[in-house]
Amino acid sequence: GESVGLHLPTLSVQEGDNSIINCAYSNSASDYFIWYKQESGKGPQFIIDIRSNMDKRQGQRVTVLLNKTVKHLSLQIAATQPGDSAVYLCAENSGGAGSYQLTFGKGTKLSVIP
Amino acid sequence: NAGVMQNPRHLVRRRGQEARLRCSPMKGHSHVYWYRQLPEEGLKFMVYLQKENIIDESGMPKERFSAEFPKEGPSILRIQQVVRGDSAAYFCASSPRRDRGDSPLHFGNGTRLTVT
Repeated sequence: GESVGLHLPTLSVQEGDNSIINCAYSNSASDYFIWYKQESGKGPQFIIDIRSNMDKRQGQRVTVLLNKTVKHLSLQIAATQPGDSAVYLCAENSGGAGSYQLTFGKGTKLSVIP
Repeated sequence: NAGVMQNPRHLVRRRGQEARLRCSPMKGHSHVYWYRQLPEEGLKFMVYLQKENIIDESGMPKERFSAEFPKEGPSILRIQQVVRGDSAAYFCASSPRRDRGDSPLHFGNGTRLTVT
């Protein structure tokens, strides 16, 4: 979920298990949401996105769920692998279709135990 | 991150010097965004540029920071008279169009600026 203070929340999962990473967003006017994966020393890598007119979207091994009522976003990773270990960032876009000005959360660190 | 090229990857500057960070967008992309990631903080929007135009610089500090995206060549983020608080990772992203369409924002691997 969203971090409070200086330390990232950490999620440790066993290899092969499913992971669920949560994110609370702040702006009820946001209409577009993205999940990024950031490995150490690298830039954010796009995983999956969802628009506010949807509540679920599936990709390869990943599913994003959007609950606009409580302003909550989650990322589910099926059959988690060691290569999934990274910081996961959620981002919201409240600037409308004419803007990519994203607001990012601080992220959640996923550690996969082999 | 394939396609958005940033250089240098690492940049060390002494206090008071100038830092120039370069970003070449993905092929065919004419819109560039700069974000900053301070230690222990999330990514923060700085500026959005189109070729030869600054569209939105609401996230840029008012002094010492400037950005450009000339008709030819990469986008440049310039920080004058750097201070220790400027130490951060600076990321560039690009898009092919002004409106979002169905294309997500793709980021480069960033420039890590260290001010000594």
